Amino acid sequence: QLQLQESGPGLVKPSETLSLTCTVSGDSISGSSYLWGWIRQPPGKGLEWIGSMYYNGGTYYNPSLKSRVSISVETSKNQFSLNLRSVTASDTAVYYCARARPRAAALSESWGQGTLVTVSS
Amino acid sequence: ENVLTQSPGTLSLSPGERATLSCRASQSVSSNYLAWYQHKPGQAPRLLIYGASARATGIPDRFSASGSGTDFTLTISRLEPEDFAVYYCQQYGSPYIFGGGTKVEIK
Repeated sequence: QLQLQESGPGLVKPSETLSLTCTVSGDSISGSSYLWGWIRQPPGKGLEWIGSMYYNGGTYYNPSLKSRVSISVETSKNQFSLNLRSVTASDTAVYYCARARPRAAALSESWGQGTLVTVSS
Repeated sequence: ENVLTQSPGTLSLSPGERATLSCRASQSVSSNYLAWYQHKPGQAPRLLIYGASARATGIPDRFSASGSGTDFTLTISRLEPEDFAVYYCQQYGSPYIFGGGTKVEIK
């Protein structure tokens, strides 16, 4: 059974880089035709798709975040990561990792439980 | 830029009743790339519907969806206690956007 688990700091200072990791079990990232991605939800607000990537490098990002976001895969650990640069308080959110369907970068069919990241000094 | 507007914001119903949720796009959703998700507090969101009307794996047939172009509907034929949650529609073709959600609460 597929499981995804987010991990990383719960508190990040403004202007710094938010870094999160998603550990995948029950599927092999490198052996999969799926995409691996991130979605977030600010407190009291709706969902926002951040981006996703294939294990061999094809990436897709939300244009509104593209200049600050990078997603990478560590196949040896069966993990993928999110880096969001130059964060501000508006980046405070629950961050979810997810597996997306092939050829549908934003169609997230399996999600992790989410992790809250607060941006504050 | 496309905007997805979900209505109503909150739906108060009793178990066994029928729920009808609306998702309206300001511009046509290309290729009917429209999905519905269920989200309960503290849990991972769950994909219910993709392609506007196809149920995802393991989704009970009391969940159905329809629509095309700019108007989409999610119907829960008979609400079970576990169905009370927030439901989001999403356009998963560019731009990749979610609606604001409809909360289905127990009356």
